[in-house]
Amino acid sequence: DSGVTQTPKHLITATGQRVTLRCSPRSGDLSVYWYQQSLDQGLQFLIQYYNGEERAKGNILERFSAQQFPDLHSELNLSSLELGDSALYFCASSGLGHGLNSPLHFGNGTRLTVT
Amino acid sequence: DQQVKQNSPSLSVQEGRISILNCDYTNSMFDYFLWYKKYPAEGPTFLISISSIKDKNEDGRFTVFLNKSAKHLSLHIVPSQPGDSAVYFCAAAAIIQGAQKLVFGQGTRLTINP
Repeated sequence: DSGVTQTPKHLITATGQRVTLRCSPRSGDLSVYWYQQSLDQGLQFLIQYYNGEERAKGNILERFSAQQFPDLHSELNLSSLELGDSALYFCASSGLGHGLNSPLHFGNGTRLTVT
Repeated sequence: DQQVKQNSPSLSVQEGRISILNCDYTNSMFDYFLWYKKYPAEGPTFLISISSIKDKNEDGRFTVFLNKSAKHLSLHIVPSQPGDSAVYFCAAAAIIQGAQKLVFGQGTRLTINP
C-alpha cells in the first residue's frame, strides 16, 4: 500500500461530460502529481502541485484543470470529455522533490472510459 | 518528443535466468534515473534508482547500470522470479527551467516463464 488514495477506481461517462478525480496524498507529502496513461503509452505528466500551489505543468489540455486544497488532497477536473480522454489517471505524491531524492508514490489510478 | 525511450515493449525470460531491461534518454540534463514496477490494477512502485555520478547501483537481485556517454541505462534482475512479471518503467529526472521534471518511458512488459 503506497498510502496514496485515488477515487473513484472506475468512471464511465459520455462525451461532452465533466468529471472530477480525487487524490489523497501519502501522509506528510506536500507534492501531488497527476499522470495520464493511455493505451500502450507511458506515463504522461500532466501537472504538479506543491503545498497548494501549482509547481509545474506538463502536457495538460486546456479542458483539464487541477487544484490542491489546504488539507493537501487534490482534484483533477476533466471537462468536455472526448473519446481520446479514455485512460488511466494516476496521482502520485512525494516529499520535497520528486525523483532526485524522493521517489514518487503512486495511487492505484482511476480508469476513465468515455463512451 | 520522447525523451526517454524503452524500445522493447515486451520481454520474456525463463525463471532463474537474468532479465535485462533497457532504456535510452536524449536529454543530457537528466541527472537522476529511476525504475518503477507496475502490476495490473495497481500504481507503479519505486524499485531502484541511480544518480548520474554513479555507473552502478545494486539492491538485492536488482542492479541498475548507467552509461552516461551512451545515454543508456539498464536494469538487471538476477535470478528472475515469477513475481517479477510486471511492466517496468524507467524514468529520468532533472531540474529544468527551475522546476523538477520527471519523464517516464513507455514501459516494458516482463514475463517470467516457469
